Amino acid sequence: AQSVTQLDSQVPVFEEAPVELRCNYSSSVSVYLFWYVQYPNQGLQLLLKYLSGSTLVKGINGFEAEFNKSQTSFHLRKPSVHISDTAEYFCAVWRSGGSNYKLTFGKGTLLTVNP
Amino acid sequence: DAGVTQSPTHLIKTRGQHVTLRCSPISGHKSVSWYQQVLGQGPQFIFQYYEKEERGRGNFPDRFSARQFPNYSSELNVNALLLGDSALYLCASSFFGRGRYEQYFGPGTRLTVT
Repeated sequence: AQSVTQLDSQVPVFEEAPVELRCNYSSSVSVYLFWYVQYPNQGLQLLLKYLSGSTLVKGINGFEAEFNKSQTSFHLRKPSVHISDTAEYFCAVWRSGGSNYKLTFGKGTLLTVNP
Repeated sequence: DAGVTQSPTHLIKTRGQHVTLRCSPISGHKSVSWYQQVLGQGPQFIFQYYEKEERGRGNFPDRFSARQFPNYSSELNVNALLLGDSALYLCASSFFGRGRYEQYFGPGTRLTVT
């Protein structure tokens, strides 16, 4: 079975500062990795995904993440955040080669960008 | 092209009642999954359907059931509601294959059980 640990439940930062949201996973098989963002009272929006290939993945809104297989991590980064980035961020894994599309999510990290 | 749609957006039910939530996937997507998101937690997988067949089931009691129709829309049913069933219920529409991966979530149905 897979599991996902998001190491920080809340991350407060100032506008235009860099940010890193940490995600570690455990799995006995290969996985695909995802970051989703959830704005208040909304559903989930896919930020970026790692399926294969380059371990540095670029997503929407200036976010990027790096897959590190040896450390089983998939940390999300943004060099300069905006007030509008305030939201809940979820890391998720999917067992590659699986017969279903079950995503296992972390508990989320609330990013608060202050002026 | 419309995204994933869910209805209703909000619902208030009493303990012991049952509820039906509906989801329409993106055109061309044949797989629908359901997730429960309790306040302050990440979404938890409930069911996945592909081509009208159940392909996956999460750790939820038998009070939870679902089905998928020929047009790929789906219903989630919950019987004998408990206070703990209060949550945001998310539907996801998926396509995977030929090097593509697409999974889009709907806006959710907020269920409150009193």
